[in-house]
Amino acid sequence: GNSVTQMEGPVTLSEEAFLTINCTYTATGYPSLFWYVQYPGEGLQLLLKATKADDKGSNKGFEATYRKETTSFHLEKGSVQVSDSAVYFCALLAGNNRKLIWGLGTSLAVNP
Amino acid sequence: SAVISQKPSRDICQRGTSLTIQCQVDSQVTMMFWYRQQPGQSLTLIATANQGSEATYESGFVIDKFPISRPNLTFSTLTVSNMSPEDSSIYLCSVRDPRSYEQYFGPGTRLTVT
Repeated sequence: GNSVTQMEGPVTLSEEAFLTINCTYTATGYPSLFWYVQYPGEGLQLLLKATKADDKGSNKGFEATYRKETTSFHLEKGSVQVSDSAVYFCALLAGNNRKLIWGLGTSLAVNP
Repeated sequence: SAVISQKPSRDICQRGTSLTIQCQVDSQVTMMFWYRQQPGQSLTLIATANQGSEATYESGFVIDKFPISRPNLTFSTLTVSNMSPEDSSIYLCSVRDPRSYEQYFGPGTRLTVT
Protein backbone atom coordinates (compact mmCIF):
# COMPACT_ATOMS: atom_id res chain seq x y z
CA GLY A 1 0.00 0.00 0.00
CA ASN A 2 0.91 3.66 -0.10
CA SER A 3 3.03 5.03 2.72
CA VAL A 4 5.27 7.92 3.74
CA THR A 5 8.32 7.60 5.97
CA GLN A 6 9.58 10.80 7.45
CA MET A 7 12.67 11.61 9.43
CA GLU A 8 12.01 11.56 13.14
CA GLY A 9 12.42 14.66 15.20
CA PRO A 10 12.80 16.79 17.01
CA VAL A 11 15.39 18.61 14.97
CA THR A 12 17.18 21.50 16.65
CA LEU A 13 19.29 23.92 14.63
CA SER A 14 20.95 27.24 15.08
CA GLU A 15 19.82 30.18 13.00
CA GLU A 16 21.33 30.22 9.47
CA ALA A 17 22.06 26.48 9.55
CA PHE A 18 21.25 24.21 6.63
CA LEU A 19 18.11 22.11 6.99
CA THR A 20 17.26 18.73 5.51
CA ILE A 21 14.20 16.75 6.52
CA ASN A 22 14.11 13.37 4.82
CA CYS A 23 10.96 11.93 3.32
CA THR A 24 10.65 8.69 1.35
CA TYR A 25 7.52 7.11 0.00
CA THR A 26 5.98 3.94 -1.32
CA ALA A 27 3.21 4.31 -3.85
CA THR A 28 1.65 2.73 -6.88
CA GLY A 29 1.53 4.79 -10.01
CA TYR A 30 2.61 8.39 -10.05
CA PRO A 31 1.76 10.17 -6.80
CA SER A 32 1.73 13.88 -6.11
CA LEU A 33 3.95 14.88 -3.20
CA PHE A 34 3.48 17.64 -0.65
CA TRP A 35 5.09 19.31 2.33
CA TYR A 36 2.76 20.90 4.86
CA VAL A 37 3.81 23.08 7.79
CA GLN A 38 2.12 23.69 11.11
CA TYR A 39 3.40 26.73 13.00
CA PRO A 40 2.82 26.85 16.77
CA GLY A 41 -0.80 27.62 17.50
CA GLU A 42 -1.75 27.75 13.83
CA GLY A 43 -3.45 25.52 11.30
CA LEU A 44 -1.83 23.35 8.67
CA GLN A 45 -0.58 25.15 5.58
CA LEU A 46 0.63 23.83 2.27
CA LEU A 47 4.33 24.68 1.97
CA LEU A 48 5.16 23.24 -1.44
CA LYS A 49 4.28 20.45 -3.83
CA ALA A 50 5.49 18.48 -6.84
CA THR A 51 3.24 16.51 -9.13
CA LYS A 52 5.66 14.60 -11.35
CA ALA A 53 9.16 13.17 -11.32
CA ASP A 54 12.03 15.68 -11.28
CA ASP A 55 9.68 18.55 -10.42
CA LYS A 56 11.04 20.89 -7.77
CA GLY A 57 8.60 22.55 -5.41
CA SER A 58 9.74 25.73 -3.68
CA ASN A 59 8.34 28.32 -1.31
CA LYS A 60 9.68 30.64 1.42
CA GLY A 61 13.24 29.48 0.73
CA PHE A 62 12.32 25.81 1.11
CA GLU A 63 12.80 23.34 -1.73
CA ALA A 64 12.03 19.69 -2.39
CA THR A 65 12.67 17.65 -5.53
CA TYR A 66 10.50 14.70 -6.56
CA ARG A 67 13.01 11.86 -7.06
CA LYS A 68 11.31 8.82 -8.51
CA GLU A 69 14.51 6.76 -8.69
CA THR A 70 15.02 7.06 -4.93
CA THR A 71 11.30 7.53 -4.08
CA SER A 72 12.20 10.60 -2.07
CA PHE A 73 11.00 14.16 -1.52
CA HIS A 74 13.46 15.64 0.97
CA LEU A 75 12.80 19.14 2.28
CA GLU A 76 15.75 21.55 2.30
CA LYS A 77 16.48 25.12 3.23
CA GLY A 78 19.85 26.77 2.98
CA SER A 79 19.57 29.08 5.98
CA VAL A 80 16.86 28.58 8.57
CA GLN A 81 15.36 31.32 10.70
CA VAL A 82 13.78 31.24 14.14
CA SER A 83 10.44 31.82 12.43
CA ASP A 84 10.81 28.45 10.64
CA SER A 85 10.27 26.66 13.94
CA ALA A 86 7.26 24.44 13.26
CA VAL A 87 6.17 20.89 12.58
CA TYR A 88 6.67 19.73 8.98
CA PHE A 89 4.60 16.97 7.39
CA CYS A 90 5.37 15.09 4.19
CA ALA A 91 2.33 13.71 2.36
CA LEU A 92 1.44 11.93 -0.85
CA LEU A 93 -1.69 11.66 -2.94
CA ALA A 94 -2.05 8.51 -5.00
CA GLY A 95 -4.33 5.70 -5.91
CA ASN A 96 -7.90 5.57 -6.97
CA ASN A 97 -9.26 6.78 -3.66
CA ARG A 98 -7.10 9.89 -3.78
CA LYS A 99 -6.59 9.98 -0.06
CA LEU A 100 -3.71 12.01 1.38
CA ILE A 101 -1.20 9.76 3.11
CA TRP A 102 0.70 11.54 5.87
CA GLY A 103 4.10 11.17 7.43
CA LEU A 104 4.35 11.38 11.20
CA GLY A 105 5.68 14.92 11.17
CA THR A 106 9.07 16.37 12.10
CA SER A 107 9.33 19.06 14.72
CA LEU A 108 11.93 21.74 13.98
CA ALA A 109 13.23 24.18 16.56
CA VAL A 110 15.55 26.96 15.41
CA ASN A 111 17.51 28.75 18.10
CA PRO A 112 18.83 32.30 17.71
CA SER B 1 -6.94 28.81 -2.18
CA ALA B 2 -9.85 28.39 0.21
CA VAL B 3 -10.42 30.01 3.58
CA ILE B 4 -11.98 27.72 6.14
CA SER B 5 -13.46 28.60 9.50
CA GLN B 6 -14.46 26.23 12.25
CA LYS B 7 -16.70 26.65 15.28
CA PRO B 8 -16.12 26.23 18.14
CA SER B 9 -12.37 26.77 18.28
CA ARG B 10 -12.23 24.81 21.52
CA ASP B 11 -14.54 23.21 24.03
CA ILE B 12 -14.46 21.23 27.24
CA CYS B 13 -17.21 18.65 27.40
CA GLN B 14 -18.52 16.13 29.87
CA ARG B 15 -18.26 12.42 29.23
CA GLY B 16 -21.39 11.03 27.54
CA THR B 17 -22.41 14.26 25.84
CA SER B 18 -22.14 15.22 22.15
CA LEU B 19 -20.53 18.13 20.36
CA THR B 20 -21.21 19.38 16.86
CA ILE B 21 -18.36 21.09 15.02
CA GLN B 22 -19.16 23.40 12.15
CA CYS B 23 -17.00 23.99 9.09
CA GLN B 24 -17.60 26.91 6.73
CA VAL B 25 -15.69 27.42 3.47
CA ASP B 26 -15.52 30.69 1.56
CA SER B 27 -16.00 28.97 -1.81
CA GLN B 28 -17.90 26.03 -3.22
CA VAL B 29 -15.95 22.80 -2.95
CA THR B 30 -16.90 19.24 -3.69
CA MET B 31 -14.31 17.36 -1.69
CA MET B 32 -14.30 17.88 2.07
CA PHE B 33 -12.54 15.88 4.74
CA TRP B 34 -12.63 15.57 8.52
CA TYR B 35 -9.44 14.69 10.38
CA ARG B 36 -8.38 14.12 13.95
CA GLN B 37 -4.98 15.14 15.27
CA GLN B 38 -3.64 14.32 18.68
CA PRO B 39 -1.29 17.06 19.95
CA GLY B 40 2.17 16.56 18.50
CA GLN B 41 1.07 13.77 16.22
CA SER B 42 0.09 13.23 12.60
CA LEU B 43 -3.36 13.44 11.08
CA THR B 44 -5.88 10.64 11.01
CA LEU B 45 -8.65 10.81 8.42
CA ILE B 46 -12.09 10.27 9.92
CA ALA B 47 -14.23 10.55 6.81
CA THR B 48 -14.63 12.07 3.38
CA ALA B 49 -17.78 14.17 3.00
CA ASN B 50 -18.57 14.94 -0.61
CA GLN B 51 -21.71 16.91 -1.28
CA GLY B 52 -24.50 14.85 -2.75
CA SER B 53 -23.39 11.55 -1.31
CA GLU B 54 -23.11 9.81 2.02
CA ALA B 55 -19.92 10.36 3.94
CA THR B 56 -17.30 7.64 3.56
CA TYR B 57 -15.75 6.61 6.87
CA GLU B 58 -12.26 5.26 7.42
CA SER B 59 -11.52 2.09 9.29
CA GLY B 60 -12.11 2.57 12.99
CA PHE B 61 -14.66 5.36 12.57
CA VAL B 62 -18.42 4.78 12.35
CA ILE B 63 -21.37 6.96 11.49
CA ASP B 64 -23.11 6.42 14.81
CA LYS B 65 -20.14 7.89 16.66
CA PHE B 66 -19.19 10.60 14.13
CA PRO B 67 -22.27 11.60 12.11
CA ILE B 68 -21.52 14.09 9.36
CA SER B 69 -23.80 16.41 7.47
CA ARG B 70 -22.96 18.12 4.17
CA PRO B 71 -26.02 20.14 3.20
CA ASN B 72 -24.29 22.26 0.55
CA LEU B 73 -20.96 22.97 -1.11
CA THR B 74 -19.74 25.44 1.52
CA PHE B 75 -20.72 23.87 4.83
CA SER B 76 -20.38 20.70 6.86
CA THR B 77 -20.77 19.52 10.42
CA LEU B 78 -19.11 16.72 12.35
CA THR B 79 -20.72 15.49 15.56
CA VAL B 80 -18.71 13.64 18.16
CA SER B 81 -21.30 11.54 20.00
CA ASN B 82 -21.33 9.98 23.43
CA MET B 83 -17.90 11.38 24.15
CA SER B 84 -15.25 9.75 26.26
CA PRO B 85 -11.83 11.10 27.30
CA GLU B 86 -10.30 9.16 24.39
CA ASP B 87 -12.09 11.56 22.03
CA SER B 88 -10.01 14.45 23.33
CA SER B 89 -8.20 15.71 20.26
CA ILE B 90 -8.03 18.43 17.64
CA TYR B 91 -10.62 18.03 14.89
CA LEU B 92 -9.79 19.51 11.51
CA CYS B 93 -11.94 20.29 8.51
CA SER B 94 -10.22 20.26 5.12
CA VAL B 95 -11.09 20.81 1.46
CA ARG B 96 -9.27 19.91 -1.73
CA ASP B 97 -8.96 21.75 -5.01
CA PRO B 98 -9.67 19.04 -7.63
CA ARG B 99 -7.47 20.74 -10.23
CA SER B 100 -4.32 21.41 -8.23
CA TYR B 101 -4.84 18.64 -5.63
CA GLU B 102 -3.88 21.19 -3.00
CA GLN B 103 -5.63 20.68 0.28
CA TYR B 104 -6.56 23.47 2.72
CA PHE B 105 -7.28 23.17 6.41
CA GLY B 106 -9.39 24.92 8.98
CA PRO B 107 -7.82 26.17 12.22
CA GLY B 108 -9.14 23.16 14.12
CA THR B 109 -11.41 22.55 17.07
CA ARG B 110 -9.62 21.54 20.25
CA LEU B 111 -11.85 19.20 22.21
CA THR B 112 -11.23 18.11 25.78
CA VAL B 113 -13.52 15.50 27.32
CA THR B 114 -13.55 15.23 31.10
